[in-house]
Amino acid sequence: GIQVEQSPPDLILQEGANSTLRCNFSDSVNNLQWFHQNPWGQLINLFYIPSGTKQNGRLSATTVATERYSLLYISSSQTTDSGVYFCAVPVSYNTDKLIFGTGTRLQVFP
Amino acid sequence: NAGVTQTPKFQVLKTGQSMTLQCAQDMNHEYMSWYRQDPGMGLRLIHYSVGAGITDQGEVPNGYNVSRSTTEDFPLRLLSAAPSQTSVYFCASSYERDEKLFFGSGTQLSVL
Repeated sequence: GIQVEQSPPDLILQEGANSTLRCNFSDSVNNLQWFHQNPWGQLINLFYIPSGTKQNGRLSATTVATERYSLLYISSSQTTDSGVYFCAVPVSYNTDKLIFGTGTRLQVFP
Repeated sequence: NAGVTQTPKFQVLKTGQSMTLQCAQDMNHEYMSWYRQDPGMGLRLIHYSVGAGITDQGEVPNGYNVSRSTTEDFPLRLLSAAPSQTSVYFCASSYERDEKLFFGSGTQLSVL
């Protein structure tokens, strides 16, 4: 089945720094989503981005479907950005089953 | 809109007990699903439903039962709890397949 790998597994930043998180997937996908799990466990959908680039405030995401990767950019990081970031893709085309990567744990210190 | 509502937030069970985790959404979403999250393993799909009366298995369905009698509700039943089912459970929904997925706040379950 499709494999999803995220890097780096852990990231420590000082407030104000920028960062790039990567999601690689092993097969063609028609759907990719990025999620943030905050330190209290809540999962928030950041982007639905099967291809192209989207921006939402200090966050932006780019998916290059032909090269099987997606990037999540966090600019001017804040302590509230701390948590775990997951990407998720369908296990195969035209399926309802999503597979999640194991995540990137981000800690932002003041 | 309340979004996706899960109850209870915490639960402790003894091995062999049964219980139902409740999930409700008020966004008229057709697609609903249950995930479990274990340390270092991300989220794994248990069961999902593409509409009322239709359910299907995910990645880790054994030991769990679901039904979807209404669009709003998608309960998850543990028939005979085992320590291996200790986990955090999340319910999620989206308007249709391949749409943005929204999660509930989770249920932390411990099976002793």
